[in-house]
Amino acid sequence: GDSVTQMEGPVTLSEEAFLTINCTYTATGYPSLFWYVQYPGEGLQLLLKATKADDKGSNKGFEATYRKETTSFHLEKGSVQVSDSAVYFCALSDISGGGADGLTFGKGTHLIIQP
Amino acid sequence: DSGVTQTPKHLITATGQRVTLRCSPRSGDLSVYWYQQSLDQGLQFLIQYYNGEERAKGNILERFSAQQFPDLHSELNLSSLELGDSALYFCASSVDEGLTYGYTFGSGTRLTVV
Repeated sequence: GDSVTQMEGPVTLSEEAFLTINCTYTATGYPSLFWYVQYPGEGLQLLLKATKADDKGSNKGFEATYRKETTSFHLEKGSVQVSDSAVYFCALSDISGGGADGLTFGKGTHLIIQP
Repeated sequence: DSGVTQTPKHLITATGQRVTLRCSPRSGDLSVYWYQQSLDQGLQFLIQYYNGEERAKGNILERFSAQQFPDLHSELNLSSLELGDSALYFCASSVDEGLTYGYTFGSGTRLTVV
């Protein structure tokens, strides 16, 4: 079945550091890929998405490129802020694979940014 | 405010009891999804409804059931509760049945079974 693997945290960085959170996936079809962010006490918010190979999703300084050849969708940001501290989830949807079983999420990466 | 409303925000109940969680989707969204989030299992897809009809089932226990009403709000019923059912339960909605655009999540209901 479909699966998403992402680095587990916590990941601790200093403010203004460069961020990479790795995400790789396994899917039978041609999935859409997503990054969600969850701030403490809140629900998940869609951060960015990409629907086909080589697409780049971007939002709020975060970027991720859909790499079909490496089945990856790594999240990057050039200069993180304390306010970026949250849990980040990589996810995929694979309707083209024959199923519509909702999004498949990774386990989440807890990011801590220190001033 | 995401536009997806979940009630109650917190629920504490005893083992063996039954509870109902409620979700109102974002205006215009026809699909509703239920997820369970726990520390050990992560986010687990439970069930999806589209315009009142069940569309997909994930890892939903037989003790759990859901429905979507004509006004598109949805309820998740959890019965014969066990300690292991303690978790955050999220509802999400989307405008279509497909997942091209992603979901909008509510802020969740935290269920504690004692």
